Amino acid sequence: ILNVEQSPQSLHVQEGDSTNFTCSFPSSNFYALHWYRWETAKSPEALFVMTLNGDEKKKGRISATLNTKEGYSYLYIKGSQPEDSATYLCAFMTSYDKVIFGPGTSLSVIP
Amino acid sequence: DAGVIQSPRHEVTEMGQEVTLRCKPISGHDYLFWYRQTMMRGLELLIYFNNNVPIDDSGMPEDRFSAKMPNASFSTLKIQPSEPRDSAVYFCASSWLGLGGETQYFGPGTRLLVL
Repeated sequence: ILNVEQSPQSLHVQEGDSTNFTCSFPSSNFYALHWYRWETAKSPEALFVMTLNGDEKKKGRISATLNTKEGYSYLYIKGSQPEDSATYLCAFMTSYDKVIFGPGTSLSVIP
Repeated sequence: DAGVIQSPRHEVTEMGQEVTLRCKPISGHDYLFWYRQTMMRGLELLIYFNNNVPIDDSGMPEDRFSAKMPNASFSTLKIQPSEPRDSAVYFCASSWLGLGGETQYFGPGTRLLVL
């Protein structure tokens, strides 16, 4: 059974703090890892598509790294802002066309 | 482009009724995905199409669920007969490339409640 885990489940940070969270996935049959940002009552918004071991992607204050050999990806947010409050989902895609979403990390940024 | 369009946005129906959800992907996208989101199971891929052809429907929960894509700009997800446990948010997404290779753009979702 393929399992994708995210930690922590939720966190609360002060505005201006930097934070990071983890997505863990099977290290075999890797094809790609996606990160999504999902605000309440909206639809998931794609952040990053990561396909190569060692990939580092950046979009503004948000960045992500990928380690396919050990099966994890980190998402970093530098200088958190209230508008960063959302659930951050990772999705693991296998080489045989399966996609499994993690349960998400719920981030609340306190002004 | 208006993005992925889904209708209806909300649907309330009674157990046993047929439910049809609709999706219009972004023009030019060759892949279309149907997802279901529940509190218990999170976000799950139900089925996806490439160039209007179903590629993988192994995520479809049971025979009551069916999906079609008669042309490049329209897809339906049908539940017949519907049951209370089908209550969920159903998302449609589309992309240029298949799973993994490219960003998927999600529609706003259809919130289904089966009484």
